[in-house]
Amino acid sequence: EADIYQTPRYLVIGTGKKITLECSQTMGHDKMYWYQQDPGMELHLIHYSYGVNSTEKGDLSSESTVSRIRTEHFPLTLESARPSHTSQYLCASSWGTGIYEQYFGPGTRLTVT
Amino acid sequence: AQSVTQLDSQVPVFEEAPVELRCNYSSSVSVYLFWYVQYPNQGLQLLLKYLSGSTLVKGINGFEAEFNKSQTSFHLRKPTVHISDTAEYFCAVSEHGSGNTGKLIFGQGTTLQVKP
Repeated sequence: EADIYQTPRYLVIGTGKKITLECSQTMGHDKMYWYQQDPGMELHLIHYSYGVNSTEKGDLSSESTVSRIRTEHFPLTLESARPSHTSQYLCASSWGTGIYEQYFGPGTRLTVT
Repeated sequence: AQSVTQLDSQVPVFEEAPVELRCNYSSSVSVYLFWYVQYPNQGLQLLLKYLSGSTLVKGINGFEAEFNKSQTSFHLRKPTVHISDTAEYFCAVSEHGSGNTGKLIFGQGTTLQVKP
């Protein structure tokens, strides 16, 4: 059973606010990922980390930033939310080398008004 | 560069009928292949994976998929679907030797709509 958590599950916030989406996993996985998913659409990788103090931008450009100062925690921050940031954000993690099965959290659905 | 194409955006099917969801990929190297399911307002759950060996892989909830290297396909099948199978299904690939990142490339998704 995968143990990866995201909070909040739903967030409605006004334009210009700073927000942080939380993601935590209790499996000791070294790799973590953030995806952006619009309704009925594919997943786009926006950030990933392959260990503490390592973060990289993904394939889809994003104005968000991430940090990884603890293995289990990979928060995503938007300094100034805009309506174009309205989307679902999914966090995932994986372990080791060779087989890259990813475990997903339940997602945060963000609406910026 | 690798890519994944799910050939059907929506697949309507009646309950207890068989279903096939199609997935094709392109890659210049060997790949690992995955099918994930996403129920409404939830994250993705792994259905099955192909790593090596037998080309027919069985997963959870009665699903199976067959890896066809010559056709670069990894189609998902279920002999008898239920209303509870209604969900979004994603095919994904990861290249062998993709370094330290473990990145997956996802298809566009297929919505399976099971009707009573």
